[in-house]
Amino acid sequence: AQSVAQPEDQVNVAEGNPLTVKCTYSVSGNPYLFWYVQYPNRGLQFLLKYITGDNLVKGSYGFEAEFNKSQTSFHLKKPSALVSDSALYFCAVRDDSNYQLIWGAGTKLIIKP
Amino acid sequence: EAGVVQSPRYKIIEKKQPVAFWCNPISGHNTLYWYRQNLGQGPELLIRYENEEAVDDSQLPKDRFSAERLKGVDSTLKIQPAELGDSAVYLCASSLQSSNTGELFFGEGSRLTVL
Repeated sequence: AQSVAQPEDQVNVAEGNPLTVKCTYSVSGNPYLFWYVQYPNRGLQFLLKYITGDNLVKGSYGFEAEFNKSQTSFHLKKPSALVSDSALYFCAVRDDSNYQLIWGAGTKLIIKP
Repeated sequence: EAGVVQSPRYKIIEKKQPVAFWCNPISGHNTLYWYRQNLGQGPELLIRYENEEAVDDSQLPKDRFSAERLKGVDSTLKIQPAELGDSAVYLCASSLQSSNTGELFFGEGSRLTVL
């Protein structure tokens, strides 16, 4: 069965430090992977996606994600965290049977000044 | 360009009452989704439309939930009667196509509280 996991409920990072939000996946074919962000009382916003090509994907707001096929991971990263990055982050993988997204449970990112 | 518009943003009702949510997707987006999101969890798909056709409603609790997308544009999601467990945020999203090599565009959601 296809699935996605976000092993951390919450990640705390000091402002200015690098951040990583983890995501692992399980799919039967080639993975289509996505990261979304949700600010308080807002809908989800697309950050970036991996379809094919370079393993390092760059997205919005200075975020990037590294696709690692051997570790079946797609971790979200940013070199220097901002307080405004505090939000809920969701990883998703496309289900090849119906092309719909399978969502992780989300990771709450807290950036402290 | 306007994004996905949802209304109302907030709704408080008593159990057994009906409630309806409205969604206007991005112009030109053929695919429309309704998701339910419980606090601290990821979104759960309720129904997906391709134009006016509901192509995936397997997760929609059909005894009390209904949806329609007349003319393949706006959509309405209805709950009748509402139960305490229906308290959640109902998210509408749209995309150009359902193959999902692109991204989904979400509205800000309708937060339902059932008392």
